[in-house]
Amino acid sequence: QVQLVQSGAEVKKPGASVKISCKASGYSFSNYYMHWVRQAPGQGLEWMGIIYPNGDGTDYPHRLEGRVTMTRDTSASTLYMELSGLRAEDTAVYYCVRESYSGSGSYLFWGQGTLVTVSS
Amino acid sequence: EIVLTQSPGTLSLSPGEGATLSCRASQSVRSNKLAWYQQKPGQAPRLLIYDTSSRATGIPDRFSGSGSGTDFTLTISRLEPEDFAVYYCQQYDNSYTFGQGTDLDIK
Repeated sequence: QVQLVQSGAEVKKPGASVKISCKASGYSFSNYYMHWVRQAPGQGLEWMGIIYPNGDGTDYPHRLEGRVTMTRDTSASTLYMELSGLRAEDTAVYYCVRESYSGSGSYLFWGQGTLVTVSS
Repeated sequence: EIVLTQSPGTLSLSPGEGATLSCRASQSVRSNKLAWYQQKPGQAPRLLIYDTSSRATGIPDRFSGSGSGTDFTLTISRLEPEDFAVYYCQQYDNSYTFGQGTDLDIK
């Protein structure tokens, strides 16, 4: 079965960077678009970006461009998301997600979430 | 960016009743590229409906989606106790955005 297993919780100081991993299993990792979505405490869902299969690039929302970097290690079936210049408002649960089918845009599979706390 | 506005913000109903949740887009969502998710406290969201009206695998048929253009609806025909949760709509026609959520709680 499809599984997305994320790395553990992080506590970071303002201005620092965080890098979260997401290990995929149960399907052909190279064939699917992957996204990151975050959710601040008590708030809604926010799209953070997409990474395309087979090194075909990434796409980020303007508000995060320059601070977010998404990469994938196909040999390890692992996705990474690095966020730099952390601020208090980056405190959130971060989810890696896989599209329902490649190119669909809807998210059938979710990681368990990684809590990132930014505090001095 | 397409802004999605969900209404109502909170909906208080009793088990057995029907629920209608609305999602309005700031511009037309082409090709019905709209999904609905359910989220319970402490859990990741779960996909219910994709492409406006297709139920995801394992989703009961009391959940249905409809709409087009700028107006979309999630209908739950007979509420079960496990249906009380927060519901989000998402569009994936023009980049990706979510609505702010509707909290469906027990009356």
